[in-house]
Amino acid sequence: DTAVSQTPKYLVTQMGNDKSIKCEQNLGHDTMYWYKQDSKKFLKIMFSYNNKELIINETVPNRFSPKSPDKAHLNLHINSLELGDSAVYFCASRGGNTIYFGEGSWLTVV
Amino acid sequence: GQQLNQSPQSMFIQEGEDVSMNCTSSSIFNTWLWYKQDPGEGPVLLIALYKAGELTSNGRLTAQFGITRKDSFLNISASIPSDVGIYFCAGYVDAGNMLTFGGGTRLMVKP
Repeated sequence: DTAVSQTPKYLVTQMGNDKSIKCEQNLGHDTMYWYKQDSKKFLKIMFSYNNKELIINETVPNRFSPKSPDKAHLNLHINSLELGDSAVYFCASRGGNTIYFGEGSWLTVV
Repeated sequence: GQQLNQSPQSMFIQEGEDVSMNCTSSSIFNTWLWYKQDPGEGPVLLIALYKAGELTSNGRLTAQFGITRKDSFLNISASIPSDVGIYFCAGYVDAGNMLTFGGGTRLMVKP
C-alpha cells in the first residue's frame, strides 16, 4: 500500500479554472505538508498542518487553500489557476523526524 | 531565512566511480535528511541523520552529519546506472519547524 498517496498524478487545465489535488496518508502521522517543485526542481514548502490545524503558511497566494477534513487527509484547492501555477505539487507527512513524500501531482495550466 | 547550499548542481560520471556531494547551511540544523528523486516520482528518503558527527550507511550510500551542524555530505560508492536521479539534502532545527531543501544534485551515470 502506498503510504502517502495523492491524486490526480497528472492534471492539465485551462487558466482561470479551479482544481483540487487530494492527499491521503495511511501512516498514522499527525503532520502533513504541501510542497511545490518548480521547473528547476527546487522544493519549497507551501503549507503544514498538524492534526487538522494549519501550522505553517508560507507566502502563497490566497488562491491556494488547503483543507484537512481529518488528520489523514490534506487536500489542496486552487482557484483561478494561472500559468505560473504549473509545477509539481507534493504532499508529505511527518513521522518522528522523518518526512515521507507522495509521488507528486503534475499540474500544467494552459 | 534558512538556506541550504548543495553542490555540485550536477555530475556526470562513469559507472563504477564513487560520488560525493555536500550541503552547507547558513545556520545550525539538528536533523539532516538525504532524499533521491527519480524522474516522475516523489523524493524518497535515503538516510536520516540526527546527531552531530553521525556517520550512517545504507548499502553503497554513506552520509555524515557535520560536527559544526551546518553541513552534511553524501557519498555513493561504485555507482551504477540506477543511481541516476536528483539527490536532495534537507534539514531542520527541530520537528516543529519546516524542512528546508537544498537545490539538488543531478546525477548522471554513464554505463
